[in-house]
Amino acid sequence: GAGVSQSPSNKVTEKGKDVELRCDPISGHTALYWYRQSLGQGLEFLIYFQGNSAPDKSGLPSDRFSAERTGGSVSTLTIQRTQQEDSAVYLCASSFSGGFVAFFGQGTRLTVV
Amino acid sequence: DAKTTQPNSMESNEEEPVHLPCNHSTISGTDYIHWYRQLPSQGPEYVIHGLTSNVNNRMASLAIAEDRKSSTLILHRATLRDAAVYYCILSSPTQGGSEKLVFGKGTKLTVNP
Repeated sequence: GAGVSQSPSNKVTEKGKDVELRCDPISGHTALYWYRQSLGQGLEFLIYFQGNSAPDKSGLPSDRFSAERTGGSVSTLTIQRTQQEDSAVYLCASSFSGGFVAFFGQGTRLTVV
Repeated sequence: DAKTTQPNSMESNEEEPVHLPCNHSTISGTDYIHWYRQLPSQGPEYVIHGLTSNVNNRMASLAIAEDRKSSTLILHRATLRDAAVYYCILSSPTQGGSEKLVFGKGTKLTVNP
């Protein structure tokens, strides 16, 4: 595809369930980022991948959050035992290594009920 | 992370120029100045970036102060579609990778018809 693709676009889950959010970056982009945005708030950095490795995981809010990237392409953000405060839009972005322009997906809106 | 300061909100009239200021007094020599914007219900999109010299592209112009402690994003003729939150971000590219973009609260631009 031409842009960063995220799925699902919307996810409603019950408190305590695990969820997986997927990000397909632009082909050839080696850098991949996850952010989250709570309602009416700014973007909060979660994790950064360079290839398959994650040199910066500093933004993951708790050990319930994890992410992986396979084949230097698709990334999955997993939230275990979801809580209501996890409700937010989760955004993925990708860029070329050392690139100046990050391209964002449309996000996954997660609602924990 | 180097910090930026932006007004919380600004208003403009359609077809008039808009000057969005950003202060970054602690900018380092390797920091680039990036601007992104986020339209309602969308992921952020790249607008422009620069290091020392003023920059122009099809979307906007970036004016950088001589001491680099401030910059201004200029929209030459605002349209209703330019209503968005505008983020000024400092970031340094790293060898073999990309430094994450740290988003502040940005400036919410309202464009009046």
